[in-house]
Amino acid sequence: DTAVSQTPKYLVTQMGNDKSIKCEQNLGHDTMYWYKQDSKKFLKIMFSYNNKELIINETVPNRFSPKSPDKAHLNLHINSLELGDSAVYFCASSQTGANYGYTFGSGTRLTVV
Amino acid sequence: DQQVKQNSPSLSVQEGRISILNCDYTNSMFDYFLWYKKYPAEGPTFLISISSIKDKNEDGRFTVFLNKSAKHLSLHIVPSQPGDSAVYFCAARQGGGADGLTFGKGTHLIIQP
Repeated sequence: DTAVSQTPKYLVTQMGNDKSIKCEQNLGHDTMYWYKQDSKKFLKIMFSYNNKELIINETVPNRFSPKSPDKAHLNLHINSLELGDSAVYFCASSQTGANYGYTFGSGTRLTVV
Repeated sequence: DQQVKQNSPSLSVQEGRISILNCDYTNSMFDYFLWYKKYPAEGPTFLISISSIKDKNEDGRFTVFLNKSAKHLSLHIVPSQPGDSAVYFCAARQGGGADGLTFGKGTHLIIQP
């Protein structure tokens, strides 16, 4: 009964391909996020979704598109993958207004070759 | 521009001693600060947090101190245990809405027996 689960854990793909990473949370949180941890180990926010609305888009290339079919899911689609997209992607969730920590998934290591 | 800075990439502490991890921030609009612990191949795990209206929060072996005038916070772990060996991320939030967290680069804490 993992709180935030994302699949796959590892993804190796060729440049130019299109791929998706799935995320699901069973905490009843109203907001979900995607974070990217690059080679320099920085964790940076990419998107957040609150009640099916995109709240933040931190200058991420439009090859990246979040899709939220419902409040419990936020999937990440990436088109025309580039070498620089290689990173670890973390999904997270939180409840608006609540003062406790955000809950993260275990990460998806994407390697573009 | 890094709004949250952890200037020590790594820290080595003897088991049983106190570990002190430091974090500085530049954005005076941050109202909530969090510490996360991360093991390899896992997602960050929430550890402890503090609101900007407080200067100390304690939870078992973990205490976070906030000095707003200096824009500095620290995490104290006492006594340090081998299982505390991990990367520790300082994070900050602006507003209680659906904003994401701004993370520091992390400090790798190594507890030596």
